[in-house]
Amino acid sequence: SAVISQKPSRDICQRGTSLTIQCQVDSQVTMMFWYRQQPGQSLTLIATANQGSEATYESGFVIDKFPISRPNLTFSTLTVSNMSPEDSSIYLCSASGTPGTDTQYFGPGTRLTVL
Amino acid sequence: EDKVVQSPLSLVVHEGDTVTLNCSYEVTNFRSLLWYKQEKKAPTFLFMLTSSGIEKKSGRLSSILDKKELFSILNITATQTGDSAVYLCAVAVAGNTPLVFGKGTRLSVIA
Repeated sequence: SAVISQKPSRDICQRGTSLTIQCQVDSQVTMMFWYRQQPGQSLTLIATANQGSEATYESGFVIDKFPISRPNLTFSTLTVSNMSPEDSSIYLCSASGTPGTDTQYFGPGTRLTVL
Repeated sequence: EDKVVQSPLSLVVHEGDTVTLNCSYEVTNFRSLLWYKQEKKAPTFLFMLTSSGIEKKSGRLSSILDKKELFSILNITATQTGDSAVYLCAVAVAGNTPLVFGKGTRLSVIA
């Protein structure tokens, strides 16, 4: 299994500012993903972080608002830009692609509150 | 469009009860079905099922897949308050694509 760490674990930010969330996996993985989970809701996929190329965004999410980097096979960042209170959510990093399994493993999440 | 539907959406039971959570799916190029438990933030992996009719078991939790009828169930026997969580069902399809998640079943176990 893959062990995933995220930081920060939580943050309180002012509207109009940006926050970058880091995700580190303890082994090389093929796929890394970013999800958002708003209170009482299920997981919503933001994008797939592709190593060495631009991320693939889901409908409703754009690169200008959620720029993503993936410089190597173990690390990715998600930036939430020009934040508004509607961006308050839990942001989860996930990874898959360890040999022999479809399992996606999740990081502990970042709880973001925007005032 | 690939789809995973879970039922019920929420459930309240008493400690000691047995519960069955349902997951049905309509996807192309099915590869496997996974169950997760989400308590506070991160979903934690429970089971992965690829073959019909083979039960996966871990303590009081068990799960089985029916690939002909396109569904899976997750059973929890002798429930405890610590089983209170959202249980997520997800399906993996062929190719390097993310899992397709259902909306989850919120289970509350009361003493």
